[in-house]
Amino acid sequence: SQELEQSPQSLIVQEGKNLTINCTSSKTLYGLYWYKQKYGEGLIFLMMLQKGGEEKSHEKITAKLDEKKQQSSLHITASQPSHAGIYLCGADRNSGYALNFGKGTSLLVTP
Amino acid sequence: DGGITQSPKYLFRKEGQNVTLSCEQNLNHDAMYWYRQDPGQGLRLIYYSQIVNDFQKGDIAEGYSVSREKKESFPLTVTSAQKNPTAFYLCASSIGGTQNTGELFFGEGSRLTVL
Repeated sequence: SQELEQSPQSLIVQEGKNLTINCTSSKTLYGLYWYKQKYGEGLIFLMMLQKGGEEKSHEKITAKLDEKKQQSSLHITASQPSHAGIYLCGADRNSGYALNFGKGTSLLVTP
Repeated sequence: DGGITQSPKYLFRKEGQNVTLSCEQNLNHDAMYWYRQDPGQGLRLIYYSQIVNDFQKGDIAEGYSVSREKKESFPLTVTSAQKNPTAFYLCASSIGGTQNTGELFFGEGSRLTVL
């Protein structure tokens, strides 16, 4: 089965700093999804990437999928306390419409 | 408002008891899913259903059961056979079928604690 490795596991950044979270797949990614989770709550969809080299942005968050479609990065510019939470990458499974998920990256933004 | 509703949000259970977690959606989605989340483990798929009256096992189905008698409902029963049931359970849905975009819509989760 496909495994998704996320790095780093956790991150503490000062407000206003930029940061990057990585997601690496053991297999070619045909659909890569980024979600955010506030502690103890459900997941909120951020972005989906499908094509090699694709890049999408929403507010201060940019996600990229590399040309080989095995690695994705999530970049946050000028972080704010509202960015704190767990970021998870997900990828299409071979069966059904369910997703496999990485273990998540826990982000804390300090004043 | 359209969305997914999970209940209860918190649940305590004694060992040896079965418990059922509710998941209801009014998004008219065909596909529904149950995931389990443990600290440091990420989300693991328990069961999924692509259409009414049909469901398949995910990666960790042992000790769990589901039903899909109605399109909007996908309850999960945690049986006494589940060795480590204490966890955060997340229900999700997606459009499914030929129009599926891949995006999953999640409920707020149910936290089960076995005493």
